[in-house]
Amino acid sequence: DVKVTQSSRYLVKRTGEKVFLECVQDMDHENMFWYRQDPGLGLRLIYFSYDVKMKEKGDIPEGYSVSREKKERFSLILESASTNQTSMYLCASSFKDRGSPYEQYFGPGTRLTVT
Amino acid sequence: GENVEQHPSTLSVQEGDSAVIKCTYSDSASNYFPWYKQELGKRPQLIIDIRSNVGEKKDQRIAVTLNKTAKHFSLHITETQPEDSAVYFCAASMWGFQKLVFGTGTRLLVSP
Repeated sequence: DVKVTQSSRYLVKRTGEKVFLECVQDMDHENMFWYRQDPGLGLRLIYFSYDVKMKEKGDIPEGYSVSREKKERFSLILESASTNQTSMYLCASSFKDRGSPYEQYFGPGTRLTVT
Repeated sequence: GENVEQHPSTLSVQEGDSAVIKCTYSDSASNYFPWYKQELGKRPQLIIDIRSNVGEKKDQRIAVTLNKTAKHFSLHITETQPEDSAVYFCAASMWGFQKLVFGTGTRLLVSP
């Protein structure tokens, strides 16, 4: 059974703080993704990684960075949290297969509030 | 880049009725179209997907249809049940790309 876990379900941070969100998967997936979910806007891709130390910007990377030092772990970093980054953050992972996108498995989400 | 539009944003039906959710995509190169279901407080999960070499796919009470000419695809749920109440997301992707572009979601409410 695929398991994708995220470090926190709920997080409250102050404006300007550096915030780390961690995601761990146990299925040996090559791909890992970070999304934010906002009402009426769906799931928007922030960053994704297709291999260790590899990353690509998604649709809304501004204000975020990522780190993937190990295959099973993908971290999202908010360098200086702002109130407009209050959101639900979802991590996902999938196998990599050239020419065939695979099912993405999601974590439970982290609801981040920046005050 | 790819853009996926999804309608309606909310849909209310009576138990036993059918529900249809529609999505359109912009990039004719897209050829993989999954649907995810997210129950309240839960994570999104894949429920069905379709690839461009197929026009329709069924799995029990759910089906997806694809019209590549018109660049739209739809999710059909028959004999709806209260447990079908959730937010449904469509998505699109292309061969060689690992990313999905999601629609904005449809909140389906099935009343007993």
